[in-house]
Amino acid sequence: EDQVTQSPEALRLQEGESSSLNCSYTVSGLRGLFWYRQDPGKGPEFLFTLYSAGEEKEKERLKATLTKKESFLHITAPKPEDSATYLCAVQAYEIDGQNFVFGPGTRLSVLP
Amino acid sequence: DGGITQSPKYLFRKEGQNVTLSCEQNLNHDAMYWYRQDPGQGLRLIYYSQIVNDFQKGDIAEGYSVSREKKESFPLTVTSAQKNPTAFYLCASQRGQGYNSPLHFGNGTRLTVT
Repeated sequence: EDQVTQSPEALRLQEGESSSLNCSYTVSGLRGLFWYRQDPGKGPEFLFTLYSAGEEKEKERLKATLTKKESFLHITAPKPEDSATYLCAVQAYEIDGQNFVFGPGTRLSVLP
Repeated sequence: DGGITQSPKYLFRKEGQNVTLSCEQNLNHDAMYWYRQDPGQGLRLIYYSQIVNDFQKGDIAEGYSVSREKKESFPLTVTSAQKNPTAFYLCASQRGQGYNSPLHFGNGTRLTVT
């Protein structure tokens, strides 16, 4: 079964149009939830780690929040350079070893 | 600047040939990982290593092999036994053996097998 899902699969925004991306997970005993940004042909770039429900992290136009079963990545007044695929990943007690479980990503396009 | 270097960026091979992908890190990280990325799927773990001379299979290890002779290096060999090797391969490292620290990724190798 899918342990980490992301929605929507793709999102197209106009510059300045704020929105949110969702990451839902079914694992219990969460150790950490991680957000990454990935540009085409590049490796993922680390953005945030969230450890417990209620936690929030911010960086420029991005804000990540965490509840018991999902995380949101809020994008405020996005710019075209925010266009990328955003990945989330979880680590949990029930996952063997050092295995992170990644979601399939949300492909964000911000139009000028 | 510290980071993870993967080479080459693009690799083309004929079916039936083994090929080795390079991954080097100068972050002094203990743990290293290999992932495979296919369109529409999450990253899938191939192998990981927490210390030198030790490594564990991930979810899709069949047809792949690795070595960890030095802390800085974690090469991946894609063997002819891998049924569908064409993919984007990502190497990552992690600071410690404990949980909670993020993965740091290289910029990947795109392998095409024809």
